[in-house]
Amino acid sequence: AQSVTQLGSHVSVSEGALVLLRCNYSSSVPPYLFWYVQYPNQGLQLLLKYTTGATLVKGINGFEAEFKKSETSFHLTKPSAHMSDAAEYFCAVSGQGAQKLVFGQGTRLTINP
Amino acid sequence: EADIYQTPRYLVIGTGKKITLECSQTMGHDKMYWYQQDPGMELHLIHYSYGVNSTEKGDLSSESTVSRIRTEHFPLTLESARPSHTSQYLCASSESGWGTNEQFFGPGTRLTVL
Repeated sequence: AQSVTQLGSHVSVSEGALVLLRCNYSSSVPPYLFWYVQYPNQGLQLLLKYTTGATLVKGINGFEAEFKKSETSFHLTKPSAHMSDAAEYFCAVSGQGAQKLVFGQGTRLTINP
Repeated sequence: EADIYQTPRYLVIGTGKKITLECSQTMGHDKMYWYQQDPGMELHLIHYSYGVNSTEKGDLSSESTVSRIRTEHFPLTLESARPSHTSQYLCASSESGWGTNEQFFGPGTRLTVL
């Protein structure tokens, strides 16, 4: 069985500040991990994914995430927030043999000017 | 261009009407999914399919039904719409086999039932 917990349903940062969105997972098989972004009235867009290999994964729009097996975490970061980063972010987990993605509850990111 | 499409994007309809939300993908994916999402809320899987003539109910009970007659097409139908069906409906697809299950999403249909 797999599950995802996103800490903080709402995160607010100033423009230019560090963005940190937290995701912890549970998986009985080696996990595949994803971050998706959703802008208002749109579907989900893949930001980045971890499958195997390098634990620091770079994605689109300057985001990156680090897979930490010992902490069962896959936190999303961006060094400098931009107004266009305001959106809903979803962490998800899957695994070889698993049939579905399991999504977290989502984190709404607000950027203050 | 390989993509996933949903129509209509927005639909406002009266109670009791029958509606069908369309979803098509041109990526040749075997797996397709329907999610229901209330504004600012998490996604709930309501239906999925692993191929033609395969349909399964998801984690959230839904009064809607789906069909999969063609690989590229996965429509969702509500026989009698009610205000409680007001929500955003997202369609997604992924490759078959023992892959990562990375899902590709359509733009969504926002349904309002009056």
